[in-house]
Amino acid sequence: GQNIDQPTEMTATEGAIVQINCTYQTSGFNGLFWYQQHAGEAPTFLSYNVLDGLEEKGRFSSFLSRSKGYSYLLLKELQMKDSASYLCAVRSSSGGSYIPTFGRGTSLIVHP
Amino acid sequence: DGGITQSPKYLFRKEGQNVTLSCEQNLNHDAMYWYRQDPGQGLRLIYYSQIVNDFQKGDIAEGYSVSREKKESFPLTVTSAQKNPTAFYLCASSPGWGDATYEQYFGPGTRLTVT
Repeated sequence: GQNIDQPTEMTATEGAIVQINCTYQTSGFNGLFWYQQHAGEAPTFLSYNVLDGLEEKGRFSSFLSRSKGYSYLLLKELQMKDSASYLCAVRSSSGGSYIPTFGRGTSLIVHP
Repeated sequence: DGGITQSPKYLFRKEGQNVTLSCEQNLNHDAMYWYRQDPGQGLRLIYYSQIVNDFQKGDIAEGYSVSREKKESFPLTVTSAQKNPTAFYLCASSPGWGDATYEQYFGPGTRLTVT
């Protein structure tokens, strides 16, 4: 099986930078996804990492270290609209299904 | 305008009744999924289908059933055998499955309340 761990809740100030960590244990690692979910809404795709290193996309960046089973999502120049839950999902090729397993999500609260 | 739709947004049922949640996509995606979301639990996989006329159980399939007769449709039936059916149900699709990015696109969700 897979074990994915994220902090339950984080708070940050508008305009600041926040890093949301995700650690995982899995066999057959085949990629890690980050999604954003506003309360009561559908998750939306933010980023995908399958090789080690940093992927940058505007204000959002995502980092992966496969040897450490570790990823983080970095949000810069925080805005109030960034208040949401951030979901880490790990895909495994084990069993041939390639289905991502989601962590419990990190609720980010951005205050003025 | 391509996307994935779920209806209804809110659904209320009495205990003991079966209920079917609709999920339709016009993205021409091969794979479709059903998740359940409870507070503090994240998304848990109920069923998935990677091709028409085929589907597989996820982690919490007991008390649920699905069908995939058309590529664009993947309805979920919550049966009376499901012990705790009250939850937020999310349907998703992806272009395929395997090594490529294949991120999931989610519908707006159906909030089911059973009393």
